[in-house]
Amino acid sequence: QSALTQPASVSGSPGQSITISCTAPSSDVVGYKYVSWYQQHPGKAPKLMIYEVSNRPSGVPDRFTGSKFGNTASLTISGLQAEDEADYYCCSYRSYSTPWVFGGGTKLTVL
Amino acid sequence: EGQLVESGGGLVQPGGSLRLSCAASGFTFSSYWMTWVRQAPGKGLEWVANIKTDGSEKYYVDSVKGRFSISRDNAKNSLFLQMDSLRAEDTAVYFCARKRPTYADSWGQGTLVTVSS
Repeated sequence: QSALTQPASVSGSPGQSITISCTAPSSDVVGYKYVSWYQQHPGKAPKLMIYEVSNRPSGVPDRFTGSKFGNTASLTISGLQAEDEADYYCCSYRSYSTPWVFGGGTKLTVL
Repeated sequence: EGQLVESGGGLVQPGGSLRLSCAASGFTFSSYWMTWVRQAPGKGLEWVANIKTDGSEKYYVDSVKGRFSISRDNAKNSLFLQMDSLRAEDTAVYFCARKRPTYADSWGQGTLVTVSS
């Protein structure tokens, strides 16, 4: 399975914007088509924030946006709020038989 | 959106067995593929297994093949994970989740499995 690389941590002040990157190996660009993002607060279940690169599920604020260029996907959170402080995981879907590879996670700190 | 509630976790010795359950409600369980994802203490997420709507197709991460078995009972809206020959590295919180085409859109709160002597 290909590994997805995320920064270990990012931080920002309330109201600011931050971007979390998720990079697949350059040899894996063709298969890196379906990217999702999950938010996880300590001791809680992951929550789907973005699916298929840039789609937001119902109920997720439009402050959360996803994008992808080449082998790097990104999650941008604008207008940071205290409740955004959490771990964020990117995920790449490959096929129904070997579906998901997750990134290592990024800890977002709201200063 | 649905609700998922896992149970069955606990402390087990290496080489032992455990059966996890996941009770689903609020959606038509039989219409969805389901999945198990785990998270070792302080670590990231790892996909474990998927099962098709009718149970006819099952897929596993290499590290659990031959030891874990995923199953479901659509009449009881329940998902299961039978875990045998458990190892220390299987220690994790196990989440059940509803699988959509390329993502998981609803997750349970998880159940902790600790493999230790």
